Amino acid sequence: QQQVKQSPQSLIVQKGGISIINCAYENTAFDYFPWYQQFPGKGPALLIAIRPDVSEKKEGRFTISFNKSAKQFSLHIMDSQPGDSATYFCAASKDGGATNKLIFGTGTLLAVQP
Amino acid sequence: ETGVTQSPTHLIKTRGQQVTLRCSSQSGHNTVSWYQQALGQGPQFIFQYYREEENGRGNFPPRFSGLQFPNYSSELNVNALELDDSALYLCASSLNRGTYNEQFFGPGTRLTVL
Repeated sequence: QQQVKQSPQSLIVQKGGISIINCAYENTAFDYFPWYQQFPGKGPALLIAIRPDVSEKKEGRFTISFNKSAKQFSLHIMDSQPGDSATYFCAASKDGGATNKLIFGTGTLLAVQP
Repeated sequence: ETGVTQSPTHLIKTRGQQVTLRCSSQSGHNTVSWYQQALGQGPQFIFQYYREEENGRGNFPPRFSGLQFPNYSSELNVNALELDDSALYLCASSLNRGTYNEQFFGPGTRLTVL
């Protein structure tokens, strides 16, 4: 019940296209769902996060769609750019718990071709 | 505002040895979490420290231990190193305000066990 499943493992998108990465979770106690971007040699950096009281959140070219009944959430990157090429991780956490530990997915390696 | 820093950047040890990794939290943060990221995988939660006390632990054996100091910097100690301990070790700091707080990751320490 602690797993977060992420797909696809890798993704190639043309510049200007839409990148879509999907995640699914099982633990209904999770109530905070962030997406992290990681470049080689760097630590993960928070991109955007959502709580289950909304179905969508948009920040610039990045949008999270959340489906509480299906226990799924996805990241959409609009107008993908070569600079977006990185590994993306979804994660989940239980807010307000004694420990705000993040449960990460396995990552998606995104390559945006010019 | 200074970010999360970790030292050393890279480290090579042999099986059975002990290692200490260090982390300086972002200014103003009172909570530090440690994660292990194996190659091609998402980060796995090791433990979290808040006010110098362990505040939650993941599925890691007791040979993984930590400390948090009064200035909120932290150490991760691993005894009796095994080959499978080879990974990127990430430190993340946050400000515990009773609800979920964004975790800011450092660049990590790359540990290789031979």
